[in-house]
Amino acid sequence: GDSVTQMEGPVTLSEEAFLTINCTYTATGYPSLFWYVQYPGEGLQLLLKATKADDKGSNKGFEATYRKETTSFHLEKGSVQVSDSAVYFCALSDRGYSTLTFGKGTMLLVSP
Amino acid sequence: GAVVSQHPSRVICKSGTSVKIECRSLDFQATTMFWYRQFPKQSLMLMATSNEGSKATYEQGVEKDKFLINHASLTLSTLTVTSAHPEDSSFYICSAREDWEAFFGQGTRLTVV
Repeated sequence: GDSVTQMEGPVTLSEEAFLTINCTYTATGYPSLFWYVQYPGEGLQLLLKATKADDKGSNKGFEATYRKETTSFHLEKGSVQVSDSAVYFCALSDRGYSTLTFGKGTMLLVSP
Repeated sequence: GAVVSQHPSRVICKSGTSVKIECRSLDFQATTMFWYRQFPKQSLMLMATSNEGSKATYEQGVEKDKFLINHASLTLSTLTVTSAHPEDSSFYICSAREDWEAFFGQGTRLTVV
C-alpha cells in the first residue's frame, strides 16, 4: 500500500537558518504530494502541493519539488522564522484527492 | 480557505462511557468527510469516510460498532466512540473536501481513564 516516510523530529534551528525536512513515498500510481502544517492548537493547513513529476510547490517561502526518480518531496525554506515553529506533515493522495496518506509529522522548533 | 470546526478539542471520559465528537464545515457543504486517528509519534491514519445520507465506509481493521459515524447533514458529521477504553485514547481529526482541497478540524484529544 501507499506510505510516506519523513524525518523524525524535533528539528531545532535558529532563526534565519536553512530548513530541510525530508520526505519519501511509496505509491502504486502517480500520486499528488502535499505538505501540511499544524500550528499549536490548530488544525492542519495545506502549505503546498505538487501534482506531477518535476512540479515545484511553493508558499510562504517554503518549497518542495516532486522527484519521481527518487520518490521524494523534501520541504525547504531558505530562512526560517520563529513563527514557522509547528508540526509539518508530508502526505500523498492517489485517489482523486479524496483520501490522504500521511507521514508521522516532523516538529520544527525555531529559536530567536 | 474553507473552515472546518471540530468539537470538543479535549475530552476526558471514564471507561465504558461513550463520547461524541462533532465535525462541522462552517462555510461550505461537504457531502464527504473523513475521520483520522493519530497515535503519539505516528501518522494520521484514516479511520472512515463519512457520506452524507448514507453509511460510512470504514477502513480495514476499524470497528464499525465501536466508532459510530453519522453524517446527517451537509455540514455535520459526528464520530461516537462507544464503550470507550483506555486504548481508545488518541487524537482524532476530521476533514472535509471542497473541490480538490482537504480542510481539517482542530482535532480532539480523547483521554479515557
